[in-house]
Amino acid sequence: DSGVTQTPKHLITATGQRVTLRCSPRSGDLSVYWYQQSLDQGLQFLIQYYNGEERAKGNILERFSAQQFPDLHSELNLSSLELGDSALYFCASSVSPSGGAPSNEQFFGPGTRLTVL
Amino acid sequence: TQLLEQSPQFLSIQEGENLTVYCNSSSVFSSLQWYRQEPGEGPVLLVTVVTGGEVKKLKRLTFQFGDARKDSSLHITAAQPGDTGLYLCAGLLYNQGGKLIFGQGTELSVKP
Repeated sequence: DSGVTQTPKHLITATGQRVTLRCSPRSGDLSVYWYQQSLDQGLQFLIQYYNGEERAKGNILERFSAQQFPDLHSELNLSSLELGDSALYFCASSVSPSGGAPSNEQFFGPGTRLTVL
Repeated sequence: TQLLEQSPQFLSIQEGENLTVYCNSSSVFSSLQWYRQEPGEGPVLLVTVVTGGEVKKLKRLTFQFGDARKDSSLHITAAQPGDTGLYLCAGLLYNQGGKLIFGQGTELSVKP
């Protein structure tokens, strides 16, 4: 158990719909990261927040948005869903912004499996 | 085009064999991590390497960071069925926060 929690575990929805994925970081971690894992693209970085502010951005679609709240939990909003958005979405957290450096590793949650029908 | 090329993508071996997984890039990384992922779970960190030429050992697993910090390898000695899983390398670029760049992954199957 990494200490990072994600809800829901599974989500099935239809094209055109909007969903919200939720992440609670490890206690004490200020930085949150969102990743998308699909069979053809592998694990792709979407966006990073640190203490409520956006810190780094990957190839995140305009239909996707995220935010980090004062209690440090984060939400990833996916709208106008398409079949190709079906994937595993992971949240990770680290103590400080440079997650991936020694003593500042990123710890991953169990993921949310999104299926768009 | 993948920034971090990982090979092989699939590996099926017998228990007791040795294997090596490679990650290569034309970019210089400030650090590189190796993760292992089980089906339906998130990646779990195995090791972080930082210094060019660094070698780290974790029981039967040996990790090496290239001298120029552009490549890395994972060597498993005497593989066991419990080593079965998806192995991922991930690099951290300079001045890009915590944006980890992942390789495509190596699906390892160790048969008893």
